[in-house]
Amino acid sequence: EVQLVQSGAEVKKPGESLKISCKGSGYSFSSYWIGWVRQMPGKGLEWMGIIYPGDSDTRYSPSFQGQVTISADKSINTAYLQWNNLKASDTAMYYCARHWGPHDYVPFDPWGQGTLVTVSS
Amino acid sequence: EIVMTQSPATLSVSPGERATLSCRASQSVSSNLAWYQQIPGQAPRLLIYAASIRATGVPARFSGSGSGTEFTLTISSLQSEDFAVYHCQQYNNWPPGTFGQGTKVEIK
Repeated sequence: EVQLVQSGAEVKKPGESLKISCKGSGYSFSSYWIGWVRQMPGKGLEWMGIIYPGDSDTRYSPSFQGQVTISADKSINTAYLQWNNLKASDTAMYYCARHWGPHDYVPFDPWGQGTLVTVSS
Repeated sequence: EIVMTQSPATLSVSPGERATLSCRASQSVSSNLAWYQQIPGQAPRLLIYAASIRATGVPARFSGSGSGTEFTLTISSLQSEDFAVYHCQQYNNWPPGTFGQGTKVEIK
């Protein structure tokens, strides 16, 4: 079974750093793009960026470029989303999701269960 | 960046009735359009891809249509488990693979 399992909920203070993870199993991790999607409380889905673990090719939405860092360690089948200077406005649910097939123009499927990040002083 | 616009924001429907949701792209996305269902407290689930193909395990009461800039998701006879938020996403031109703002289907 193809599965993405994300790290647990986090509570942080403004200005702190954070790295959350997404571990893939049941497939060839290096061969599929993995993306990150933000959902702020009561809002829609926002495409943040995506990484190809095989060669670490990473693409960002202009809205998130410079605000977060996406990385992957293919030796342990894990992708990461990182912040260096959290803001209260980063409070949201963050999902990782895999491209449905080993191609560029496909939807996301499956999705991880989500990681809730709360930033509050 | 392609902008995806969904309408209506909220759709009130009685169980057993038909629901029609719309998604419009600011420029052509060919048929590279997906619909996702999100039940409160859960991650999104892929329903439809390539504008009209049901994902594995999706009931036949869900159907998608359209191409270019205009797309429709139809739920032929709403069941209790279908009351959720539905998101469209274009994956024709990324980054970013933009989502619509979502349509909430609620019980009338």
